[in-house]
Amino acid sequence: GAVVSQHPSWVICKSGTSVKIECRSLDFQATTMFWYRQFPKQSLMLMATSNEGSKATYEQGVEKDKFLINHASLTLSTLTVTSAHPEDSSFYICSAGQGGTDTQYFGPGTRLTVL
Amino acid sequence: QKEVEQNSGPLSVPEGAIASLNCTYSDRGSQSFFWYRQYSGKSPELIMSIYSNGDKEDGRFTAQLNKASQYVSLLIRDSQPSDSATYLCAVSGSARQLTFGSGTQLTVLP
Repeated sequence: GAVVSQHPSWVICKSGTSVKIECRSLDFQATTMFWYRQFPKQSLMLMATSNEGSKATYEQGVEKDKFLINHASLTLSTLTVTSAHPEDSSFYICSAGQGGTDTQYFGPGTRLTVL
Repeated sequence: QKEVEQNSGPLSVPEGAIASLNCTYSDRGSQSFFWYRQYSGKSPELIMSIYSNGDKEDGRFTAQLNKASQYVSLLIRDSQPSDSATYLCAVSGSARQLTFGSGTQLTVLP
């Protein structure tokens, strides 16, 4: 149980284009999902907390107009990187919380490369 | 600002030995504590969660929590080369957000 999927697993795009990443909880309902970014040799950095049916809460320094998050259902959250630039190249990972616990289960991640 | 501190390592142990990973946290009100394992290029995988003082064992893994000292540890018994990874300590805060340490890189030498 507690499986989280992400799609795509990797994507290469040109500078200035937008990229959408999907995060799905496959066998449980997730009222809260989290989006992280991880640069090489660094730990996970929380970007935003996504609650089903409401606006996402962004961490300080994360541009909400650049990283659009939608959590339209209890099993799906999406992150759209708009007008991507090479500095946005990173490993993006989502996680979902199960039930009333604080435990987070992570998706496999999406590696974004912006040329 | 809530902080979670880990020794970055690298920590090397011989196969079959006990690996000991340590973590301290700054928020005394924290209630939930987690250890994740992350292989290079992969996302974190949950190993253990612990919520109350004392030890919690799961197979070769034992998590230890001491809230008075704000200290969490993970022991890996009979370490295997497949245990070689980065181990992330995470502490839960408000809105169920996790604050991660920088991770300890473990290498188990065959």
